[in-house]
Amino acid sequence: ETGVTQTPRHLVMGMTNKKSLKCEQHLGHNAMYWYKQSAKKPLELMFVYNFKEQTENNSVPSRFSPECPNSSHLFLHLHTLQPEDSALYLCASSPRDLYGYTFGSGTRLTVV
Amino acid sequence: GNSVTQMEGPVTLSEEAFLTINCTYTATGYPSLFWYVQYPGEGLQLLLKATKADDKGSNKGFEATYRKETTSFHLEKGSVQVSDSAVYFCALRGGGADGLTFGKGTHLIIQP
Repeated sequence: ETGVTQTPRHLVMGMTNKKSLKCEQHLGHNAMYWYKQSAKKPLELMFVYNFKEQTENNSVPSRFSPECPNSSHLFLHLHTLQPEDSALYLCASSPRDLYGYTFGSGTRLTVV
Repeated sequence: GNSVTQMEGPVTLSEEAFLTINCTYTATGYPSLFWYVQYPGEGLQLLLKATKADDKGSNKGFEATYRKETTSFHLEKGSVQVSDSAVYFCALRGGGADGLTFGKGTHLIIQP
């Protein structure tokens, strides 16, 4: 248990489905992040939230929609995904302005 | 923008061998540098970090020194074990960005 919990661990969805990934941390961190990990590519930062406010959106397609209702929870809503969106989606959190990032174990997403 | 370049591997070594994984970076200003490790089926764990030039990060027998003159942060270990088999990521944080910029990862395989 790393302190950052992601659910579900595995998800298979069709291209017309709508699903959500959940991330939860109770470490007292103020910043939360979504990363995408694909084979043979660097980890891609998707979204950054500081104090519940989105501060970065790295040109992510609109079929990915983040939500941060409070500083402990982060969601990634998915709709009309493509097969190339299949990847491991990692959530992380950190104290604001400090250096330690804690990652969750990830959600392995397969789009069929 | 920020970028990190590391040897991709796989790197295959025998137990008790000396390990070096090279990492070089490009960044504006003075970034913080990190090594993360990812074991199969898990998220990323912080292995060590360095926040200014000439700092040496160390943990679990691994070391890396922040070399500003060569923009490098090479990971070393004097005697590797089978349990060190994992994927190792070099990363940086800086240049005003909130998130981490990762290298592609190096798959390390240690044979008994």
